[in-house]
Amino acid sequence: DAGVIQSPRHEVTEMGQEVTLRCKPISGHDYLFWYRQTMMRGLELLIYFNNNVPIDDSGMPEDRFSAKMPNASFSTLKIQPSEPRDSAVYFCASRKTGNQPQHFGDGTRLSIL
Amino acid sequence: AQKVTQAQTEISVVEKEDVTLDCVYETRDTTYYLFWYKQPPSGELVFLIRRNSFDEQNEISGRYSWNFQKSTSSFNFTITASQVVDSAVYFCALSERQETSGSRLTFGEGTQLTVNP
Repeated sequence: DAGVIQSPRHEVTEMGQEVTLRCKPISGHDYLFWYRQTMMRGLELLIYFNNNVPIDDSGMPEDRFSAKMPNASFSTLKIQPSEPRDSAVYFCASRKTGNQPQHFGDGTRLSIL
Repeated sequence: AQKVTQAQTEISVVEKEDVTLDCVYETRDTTYYLFWYKQPPSGELVFLIRRNSFDEQNEISGRYSWNFQKSTSSFNFTITASQVVDSAVYFCALSERQETSGSRLTFGEGTQLTVNP
């Protein structure tokens, strides 16, 4: 079975550019989560969706960050404009209802120069 | 608010040694779930185990075992006869069973385990 699929695996771009990260959750999972991992702050939840609806975006750092889930099989996390402090590994995870474990994608390593 | 503490930032052992990774949690909920994830050098996060708050039975899976003690709010992870391939960062995580909060996972800071040959 395919796991959570994220793209791209690596992204290097210049400050001020728009960055779009993509995620395909595991089929049948109705929760989707976006996390950011940095050395300073560890793993932080940015936002999560239930049945394609954003439930809690309190972890989104600021208005430069936005996330969408147009359907059950696709989600994006967008940063516009990007800044060097956004450099991190961004993970997407999905799970089924019922406190089932979250399954993570391989992450996107983002570097903003 | 929920909190997970992994006091051991780094642990280094020699192959075949047993090693225990500590995890202490805080929660006001009576129903909650505890997890362990492994992050090898390649960077992905791999689910290892889930335990709910009503099941204090210890669990063993091969060389891995988990000791859950509600009295001390701990969920420790032991690797027996460690191997070089066990080298990774291990995260403990907590999820409160509150559907209104969506059962968000709170992660500990992680423990970097290095197993030397």
